[in-house]
Amino acid sequence: EVQLVQSGPEVKKPGESLKISCKGSGYSFSNYWIGWVRQMPGKGLEWMGIIYPADSNAKYSPSFQGQVTMSVDKSMSTAYLQWSRVKASDTAMYYCARNPTGAFDVWGRGTMVTVSS
Amino acid sequence: AIQLTQSPSSLSASMGDRVTISCRASQAFSNDLAWYQQKPGQPPKLLIYDDSSLVSGVPSRFSGSGSGTDFTLTISSLQPEDVATYYCQQSKNYPYSFGQGTKLEIK
Repeated sequence: EVQLVQSGPEVKKPGESLKISCKGSGYSFSNYWIGWVRQMPGKGLEWMGIIYPADSNAKYSPSFQGQVTMSVDKSMSTAYLQWSRVKASDTAMYYCARNPTGAFDVWGRGTMVTVSS
Repeated sequence: AIQLTQSPSSLSASMGDRVTISCRASQAFSNDLAWYQQKPGQPPKLLIYDDSSLVSGVPSRFSGSGSGTDFTLTISSLQPEDVATYYCQQSKNYPYSFGQGTKLEIK
């Protein structure tokens, strides 16, 4: 079964660093783009970017470029999304999803990030 | 960047009704539109890809159509389990983007 398993909820203070993960299984992880999608509380879906595990080629939305960093560890079949300094406005659910041809066909359950002083 | 505008933003319909949700794009494209269903507390679920291709296992009452700048998701006979928010998404150009969502309720 193709699965994406995301790391657990995070509670951070403004200014702290954060790295969340997304582990793929049941398929050839390196050969499928992995994307990240933000959903702020009560709001819609926002496309953050995608990364190709085989060569770490990454495409960012201008809205998130410079705010987050996507990375992968092929040996661990894991994708990461990280912040150097989180802000209260980063409070949201973050989904990873597999992106074979443009559409996201398999989704993780999401990682809830709460940033509060 | 391609902007997607969905209409309506919310919709209330009766069981058995035919429901249509529109997604209008700021630039024309084809074979690059997907539709998702999201129920409360769950991740989105892919329903339709490449404008009109139904994902395996998705009920046949769901269908997608359109090209150019106008796309439609149709539910032929609304069922209680279809209560959800629906999103369109384009993959024609980076950055890919989602519509703002359409919340569907049962009357």
